[in-house]
Amino acid sequence: QVQLVESGGGAVQPGGSLRLSCGASGFTLSNSAMHWVRQTPGKGLEWVSYIGYEGNDQYHIDSVKGRFTISRDSSKNTMFLQMNSLKAEDTAMYYCAKDTMGCLGDWGQGTLVTVSS
Amino acid sequence: DVVMTQSPLSLPVTLGQPASISCRSSQSLVHSNGNTYLNWFQQRPGQSPRRLIYKVSDRDSGVPDRFSGSGSDTDFTLKISRVEAEDVGIYYCMQGTHWPQTFGQGTKVEIK
Repeated sequence: QVQLVESGGGAVQPGGSLRLSCGASGFTLSNSAMHWVRQTPGKGLEWVSYIGYEGNDQYHIDSVKGRFTISRDSSKNTMFLQMNSLKAEDTAMYYCAKDTMGCLGDWGQGTLVTVSS
Repeated sequence: DVVMTQSPLSLPVTLGQPASISCRSSQSLVHSNGNTYLNWFQQRPGQSPRRLIYKVSDRDSGVPDRFSGSGSDTDFTLKISRVEAEDVGIYYCMQGTHWPQTFGQGTKVEIK
């Protein structure tokens, strides 16, 4: 059974950094394409980042390009989202999701990121 | 970016009655590989989103058959044949054909 557990969220000041983790069980993460999605009360659901099966394929939403990096550690079956130069508008619940049938399939429970001075 | 527009944004329904949500995209969702990556998600209060439908009309495992998806090109619909109490929540369409992938605004389904 696929299970995804996010961690690493918290409160940070503008300009700060956080690294989110997405621990996977029930499947081999290195064989799967994966996504990060965020949700805010005001903007609803927003797709953020994608990493393909082999890791060479990566996409990010324009607003995080140059600031966020998606990666994974096969030995730990874990995916990461390194978030630098954080802004207030990055405040959201962040979810990781496994790509299934060309789309976000299984989701984790989310980790909350709050950017505020 | 592809804009996904849902209607209505609020949908009060009577238990046992049907419900329908529309989703329109600002450009065709037919991928160059021939697939149409239009998906529907349900988010119950306090929970993570859960996918119900992928590629327009394929139901995910465990999804009741009262949920169905239809449509093509830029015009899509999610139907609930008979609404049950557990169907309360927010429903989102999402396109996975074009980068960046984009969601609709969400439709809040509540019981009258």
